[in-house]
Amino acid sequence: NAGVMQNPRHLVRRRGQEARLRCSPMKGHSHVYWYRQLPEEGLKFMVYLQKENIIDESGMPKERFSAEFPKEGPSILRIQQVVRGDSAAYFCATNPAGGINTGELFFGEGSRLTVL
Amino acid sequence: EDKVVQSPLSLVVHEGDTVTLNCSYEVTNFRSLLWYKQEKKAPTFLFMLTSSGIEKKSGRLSSILDKKELFSILNITATQTGDSAVYLCAVVAQGQGAQKLVFGQGTRLTINP
Repeated sequence: NAGVMQNPRHLVRRRGQEARLRCSPMKGHSHVYWYRQLPEEGLKFMVYLQKENIIDESGMPKERFSAEFPKEGPSILRIQQVVRGDSAAYFCATNPAGGINTGELFFGEGSRLTVL
Repeated sequence: EDKVVQSPLSLVVHEGDTVTLNCSYEVTNFRSLLWYKQEKKAPTFLFMLTSSGIEKKSGRLSSILDKKELFSILNITATQTGDSAVYLCAVVAQGQGAQKLVFGQGTRLTINP
């Protein structure tokens, strides 16, 4: 049973380009959370999605950032016109349909975005 | 705004020492508190705490929650170099239409041989 898969693991972009980060949940998991981690800081919630629905996007910047979790395929976090401040590790976490009351979120290994 | 604060931010001890990591929180509609260990990559789950005063143990690690004073501690006894990591505390809180995890900034623990 494969774990949460994120790709790419490392992504380098120049200012103004677009970054697309992908997250494939564990088998049987239908809830996806995206978190951002800046150097020497904790994980900041960005968005929570279920299949084809954005449930809570209160942590996501209103501009340039978007997320989706289509019926088929991975969840995608998209950052348009990247700036240096977007450089961070982006973690995806998933859990089964029971929600986070089960206590465990399974994290991917993260995608590290560097904006030059 | 929901807030989780960990202390200390950084801790350096010698192998064999015992450490206590702290986590305090202010959140709307608290559900549970979780501890994670993060080495170079993905955070890995350690404990989930929902009730006050009940200690959770796993080997040399233990944790307890105080819902009246709104804090939790994570203890590690007889530390080993492999315990070096960032320890993250997170609280399940009510978000927009769903629950979410709110993380503290983490405690970076370094165990020197």
